[in-house]
This record gives sequence, C-alpha cells and structure tokens, in this order.
Amino acid sequence: QKEVEQNSGPLSVPEGAIASLNCTYSDRVSQSFFWYRQYSGKSPELIMSIYSNGDKEDGRFTAQLNKASQYVSLLIRDSQPSDSATYLCAVNKGRGTYKYIFGTGTRLKVLA
Amino acid sequence: EAGVAQSPRYKIIEKRQSVAFWCNPISGHATLYWYQQILGQGPKLLIQFQNNGVVDDSQLPKDRFSAERLKGVDSTLKIQPAKLEDSAVYLCASSLGSGNIQYFGAGTRLSVL
Repeated sequence: QKEVEQNSGPLSVPEGAIASLNCTYSDRVSQSFFWYRQYSGKSPELIMSIYSNGDKEDGRFTAQLNKASQYVSLLIRDSQPSDSATYLCAVNKGRGTYKYIFGTGTRLKVLA
Repeated sequence: EAGVAQSPRYKIIEKRQSVAFWCNPISGHATLYWYQQILGQGPKLLIQFQNNGVVDDSQLPKDRFSAERLKGVDSTLKIQPAKLEDSAVYLCASSLGSGNIQYFGAGTRLSVL
C-alpha cells in the first residue's frame, strides 16, 4: 500500500462544474495535509493546507479532512480551464520526523 | 520577497558523467529539501536539511548522489556518475522549519543520454 494514494486521472469536468479530488494516506499519525497545483513543466505551488478535521475554504477551493477515515479531499467550485493541472496531495507525518510524502497527483482537465 | 532560486534550469549529460545543481532558499528558511520528480510521478524526497545538518537522507542513493548545505544557506546536489534513470526534474524547496509550508524553486530538468 502506498503511503499517499491518488487517482492519476485524468479527471475531466466541464467549465463551471465542481471538481472533486481525493487522497488517502496510510499513516494514522500524519498531522498536516497539503494540496499543491502543478502546471505542466512548472514546479508545485501550494493551494491549501489543512490540519484539523472538517472543511477549510479559500475562495473557490475547499479542503476536507477526515482523520478517522484517513482521507483528504479538495473541491474546486466553478472550475475554469485555467484550473487544468496536476493536483498533488502531500502528507506531513510530523511527530519528530516532519517528512513530507507526496502522492502521484491527479490530472484535472476542465473542458471549455 | 525572493523565491527559491535554482540553477541551471536545464542540463543534458551523457551517462557516467557528473553533474551538480545549486539551490538558494528563501531568506530565513531553516529547512531545505531536494526532491526528484520523474515524469508522471509525484516528487520524491531525496534529502532534507535543517540548517546545515541532515535530517533525512533515507531515499538518497548515496553511492552516486551527494548533497551539502554549507553555512546553512545555499545547497548543492551532485550526481556522480549519472545513470539513464536519473533523468528527472530536481526540485529544491525550503520552509521556515520542518513541518511548515514548503515553497518550491523552478527546478532543474536533467536529461541523461
């Protein structure tokens, strides 16, 4: 079992729809969770961080964390073609190691 | 505020040659990371520094890869000798401290022929 798992996609959604990206992780002691966006040929850029169970909203983006189910998701409302990119989930194990583990990423395509 | 600087942006070498990459983190960031990202995969941590000490190098192929962070600021990553499977983007990132948000540089795309 991979430490951080994501569906590689591509996930195709029409413009204006909600895109839902999912990530599961294996280590229960994980403390911090991050979503990065990576455009083709570019470096990852942070979209959201979440540390507590529940939802965290920032503009069109909502991160959801459920530690009991070891599941973190990212919702993108009113998807735009400019949102087309690979979305990387990263998990920080914390508790002294502070080691980041990245998933393989989900490729999102927003169709105009 | 200046971001993470990396050079060179691109490098093409033949197998068995050596190559070095340079990274200058965001000012004040104590933690520096080197990642390898192979096409279609997520970044894989090679080495993590806290100031000038190594925190984690468990996934660094130490027979051919080496890294240093003298004076706790700039860092260099070296591959000697390179293999075909080392073709990847090498990303440098920095954060205020371990566990904080990481900021990435533009990366160095390495092609080994």
